Amino acid sequence: DAGVIQSPRHEVTEMGQEVTLRCKPISGHDYLFWYRQTMMRGLELLIYFNNNVPIDDSGMPEDRFSAKMPNASFSTLKIQPSEPRDSAVYFCASSQSTSGQPQHFGDGTRLSIL
Amino acid sequence: QKEVEQDPGPLSVPEGAIVSLNCTYSNSAFQYFMWYRQYSRKGPELLMYTYSSGNKEDGRFTAQVDKSSKYISLFIRDSQPSDSATYLCAMSFASGGSYIPTFGRGTSLIVHP
Repeated sequence: DAGVIQSPRHEVTEMGQEVTLRCKPISGHDYLFWYRQTMMRGLELLIYFNNNVPIDDSGMPEDRFSAKMPNASFSTLKIQPSEPRDSAVYFCASSQSTSGQPQHFGDGTRLSIL
Repeated sequence: QKEVEQDPGPLSVPEGAIVSLNCTYSNSAFQYFMWYRQYSRKGPELLMYTYSSGNKEDGRFTAQVDKSSKYISLFIRDSQPSDSATYLCAMSFASGGSYIPTFGRGTSLIVHP
């Protein structure tokens, strides 16, 4: 099993630019989650999908953030326009819907906004 | 008060020591309890996964859940330098048919030779 695959691993860009993060979940997993991790706030849930449908986006910090899941094997998290305070590590995770199944994480995208 | 409390550490121990990592929580509805290990510049990796109260052992690792005290622990026996990482606890319950975990902030563990 290839695990959750995220790209790019690192992204450095200037404020105001559009940033797109990508995720391929584990095949057969019907839940997909986007998290942000910082030293100050730890791991924060931004949004999650079930069967490609967004279920809860209450963790998305602002309208500058958007996420899509056009099919079961691909999701994107977009920030437009980006700001320095968006600098963090962004993780994607997936899980199966069977009761309480734990999440499996990708290795994250380290985002730096200058 | 956060739903899940975890001491950030760092916790520094000598190689071979028994390590105890702990989390407390406030929501008695939590049913599933997990421990993740996160190495630097990597994603959290599932280490242990338990349902309800009791103990679960896997090699050098033992997970313990005490629902009456709202307290979970992870014990590492014969700790190794390769165990140096951040350990995050997580817990979940059914809400609208979904199990969305709540994570602790993580405890940084350093095992020195």
